[in-house]
Amino acid sequence: GESVGLHLPTLSVQEGDNSIINCAYSNSASDYFIWYKQESGKGPQFIIDIRSNMDKRQGQRVTVLLNKTVKHLSLQIAATQPGDSAVYFCAETPNSGYSTLTFGKGTMLLVSP
Amino acid sequence: DAGVIQSPRHEVTEMGQEVTLRCKPISGHNSLFWYRQTMMRGLELLIYFNNNVPIDDSGMPEDRFSAKMPNASFSTLKIQPSEPRDSAVYFCASIRTSIGTDTQYFGPGTRLTVL
Repeated sequence: GESVGLHLPTLSVQEGDNSIINCAYSNSASDYFIWYKQESGKGPQFIIDIRSNMDKRQGQRVTVLLNKTVKHLSLQIAATQPGDSAVYFCAETPNSGYSTLTFGKGTMLLVSP
Repeated sequence: DAGVIQSPRHEVTEMGQEVTLRCKPISGHNSLFWYRQTMMRGLELLIYFNNNVPIDDSGMPEDRFSAKMPNASFSTLKIQPSEPRDSAVYFCASIRTSIGTDTQYFGPGTRLTVL
């Protein structure tokens, strides 16, 4: 894919560490939030989502936290693995009915073995 | 279940040429989105369709860009004439809006290089 990492914040961690990727959103009307993972040369892949009536949701090794008061979203990855290295995007949408997503700029996660 | 299919995966063309990118959404999905991704601007929504009808094309950069969705299983994004600044990765995504989720599923993208 594109070398978007040159302009992205980067988080470097060691294999086995826990990673936290943060995202601030601006639209207080946003109702639904998604984290996507994009590996080099591939399209964004869905990881986990959360609706505004929740503040935490857990998946396999991933947890999303939502703080609506400060309009902040975070993705926690437990026991990070080299295969987790990718660019991570948060996306938000109001409950518009037509599912238009607004994507953040992305964070590059680099996992060293 | 096949995901979103895009073709070609790579396209290299010369300035002034017409470029057509193709997308086949996931079967049963009724909304389709075209995005452009560049280093400088990130992921930008160009246009989206709902039930084959264009809903919002405000993201289309200029008249050189056009998109069609003649049926539920096929869409094209055309650039005519192409310019070097159109070089980017173009993604197609689809969703089935009736199931109460807004998760879009992306294709692998088309990397376009305009010389």
